[in-house]
Amino acid sequence: GAGVSQSPSNKVTEKGKDVELRCDPISGHTALYWYRQSLGQGLEFLIYFQGNSAPDKSGLPSDRFSAERTGGSVSTLTIQRTQQEDSAVYLCASSLTRGDYEQYFGPGTRLTVT
Amino acid sequence: AQSVSQHNHHVILSEAASLELGCNYSYGGTVNLFWYVQYPGQHLQLLLKYFSGDPLVKGIKGFEAEFIKSKFSFNLRKPSVQWSDTAEYFCAVNARFSGGYNKLIFGAGTRLAVHP
Repeated sequence: GAGVSQSPSNKVTEKGKDVELRCDPISGHTALYWYRQSLGQGLEFLIYFQGNSAPDKSGLPSDRFSAERTGGSVSTLTIQRTQQEDSAVYLCASSLTRGDYEQYFGPGTRLTVT
Repeated sequence: AQSVSQHNHHVILSEAASLELGCNYSYGGTVNLFWYVQYPGQHLQLLLKYFSGDPLVKGIKGFEAEFIKSKFSFNLRKPSVQWSDTAEYFCAVNARFSGGYNKLIFGAGTRLAVHP
């Protein structure tokens, strides 16, 4: 079946602009996660959704970052007033339930802030 | 706080050489352990996982990992690497939180380059 999809695959934006990154989880997966992979760093947890609610936003680096999920499916990660340090690959993952250990990752969105 | 350490950031091997990538974690509770692989231009894929039972787990493509609880380690091994194993490898720990969900804590990754 279809895996996790993300769009766009690449995004180049100017410093100060807002960007929206989209994630389509695997159909039927109730849990959705956003991670960030910066150059030379591991993957950093950003936020977790169960259904449409986000019980854990502890990884969001600043109030410029926000995310929402609608219909228990698609999620959008929004970065306002982008900074150069926001440049990274943003990965989305989903799992069947919140207690399911295995997470399936999308291909990521490579964000470059110039 | 939970953390995961991968000892080698870059590893270069010749084909047929043996591979061992180190991974240590810090978390006192029950953990589930994973190795993910990211081939060039591809997304993260699960290589193998440990939940419970036999501490020696076998994954895809001939990889295996051993969970040593006393050492808080979960090292990845392969007896004979191939050029196609060139990739970045991530160790991850999954700890159950009070909300009943699972958050993956990743190591920084190890870039493996295998030369023919």
